[in-house]
Parts: sequence; structure tokens; C-alpha cells
Amino acid sequence: GAVVSQHPSWVICKSGTSVKIECRSLDFQATTMFWYRQFPKQSLMLMATSNEGSKATYEQGVEKDKFLINHASLTLSTLTVTSAHPEDSSFYICSARDPGQGAYGYTFGSGTRLTVV
Amino acid sequence: AQTVTQSQPEMSVQEAETVTLSCTYDTSESNYYLFWYKQPPSRQMILVIRQEAYKQQNATENRFSVNFQKAAKSFSLKISDSQLGDTAMYFCAFMLSGTSYGKLTFGQGTILTVHP
Repeated sequence: GAVVSQHPSWVICKSGTSVKIECRSLDFQATTMFWYRQFPKQSLMLMATSNEGSKATYEQGVEKDKFLINHASLTLSTLTVTSAHPEDSSFYICSARDPGQGAYGYTFGSGTRLTVV
Repeated sequence: AQTVTQSQPEMSVQEAETVTLSCTYDTSESNYYLFWYKQPPSRQMILVIRQEAYKQQNATENRFSVNFQKAAKSFSLKISDSQLGDTAMYFCAFMLSGTSYGKLTFGQGTILTVHP
């Protein structure tokens, strides 16, 4: 089955620094990737949709300058949390869509736990 | 915009018993998909069951089944013969058909604990 690799699985960074999270489709070409954010014991909230070669579409209320998304290739999308602060601490999950697989052709990564100290 | 509501923050059940998790949604669209996802402590999202809105027959997957009431916009999950490994957070999710494939709207989640 389709595999999506997300790295790192956890990261601790100092307040004010930036951290990059990678989402990579290993055995298919992902024209679209989705980034979700999840606070402890809460729902997954869609942050943005990234399409290969074009600018990401951010959901209302998500700061695009804070959360930089790049989808430069058909197998890799990155989320960079810039100037991170403790309130950015959260669990970030990506999912990648395989356009050749119709309605169910998307796979979740294993998530990244970000802690900002 | 679509919304998904899970009104049970926490549920518990004894091993081998049956439990039902509730989910309602709101949409003005007619073509969509509904899902139940399981998120264990590892936090990996695991698809439990899915339902196409155009199908009247309720989906079943082994011990898991749904009660899909399209007119009422209700999509509940029944877990039969509950097992300790079913302990997890469960999310109901909605996806529009077509260009929104892969874009999910999640409910708030229900923490299910299965007791021995």
C-alpha cells in the first residue's frame, strides 16, 4: 500500500527558532498534500492544502507567514514553523493524495510532535 | 462549509460488549464520503470504516459497522465484541466528492476506553 514518511517524529526547539517538517510520499506521486494540526485530545484541524508547483492554500485563521509550506516536487512537501513560540507546540500530521486512486487515494503520515521551549 | 459533531467526549465499555459512537454532520452537498478513524496512543491515523453517501447500505468491516442516516445526517459507529486494542480516540470525518478528495473535516473526537 501507499506509504507516507513524515520526519521528524518529534522535535524540540527553542523559542524564536524555525523548524522544518518533511512529508514524503515513498511509492506514489502526490499532486496534493494536506497539513493538519492537532492539540492534545482534540480534533485535527486542516491548516493548508499544498499542490505541487504552486502556492499553498491556507485555511482561514492560519498565518501563512508563520507556517510556510513548500511542495516543490511530486513526492515532498515541507512545513516550516517560523519563529516558533510555545503556543505553536502541537502535533502536526500530513496526508498525501495519489490522484490515480480516486476518492480513497490519500495516506496519512505518522505525525510530528513539536515542542517549543 | 461542512461541520462534523461528535457529542460524546469519552466513552467506556467492558471487553466483549458493544458500544456505539455518535456522529452528526452538516452539509448542503449531496455527494460526499464519511469515515471513522482510530487514533491510538501512537497517534497514527488508522481508517476504521468508510461510507459513500450515495450508498444506502450501511458499511461493515468485521466487528465495526455504521448506521448511516442520510436524511438525519447521522453516521454512528458500532463496535461489537470490544477488545482492549480498541482503546483509542475515534474521529468521524467528512470529505466532499471530486476536487476535494483527501481534504477531511474531522469531528472533535471520542476517547474510547475498553475495560477488561
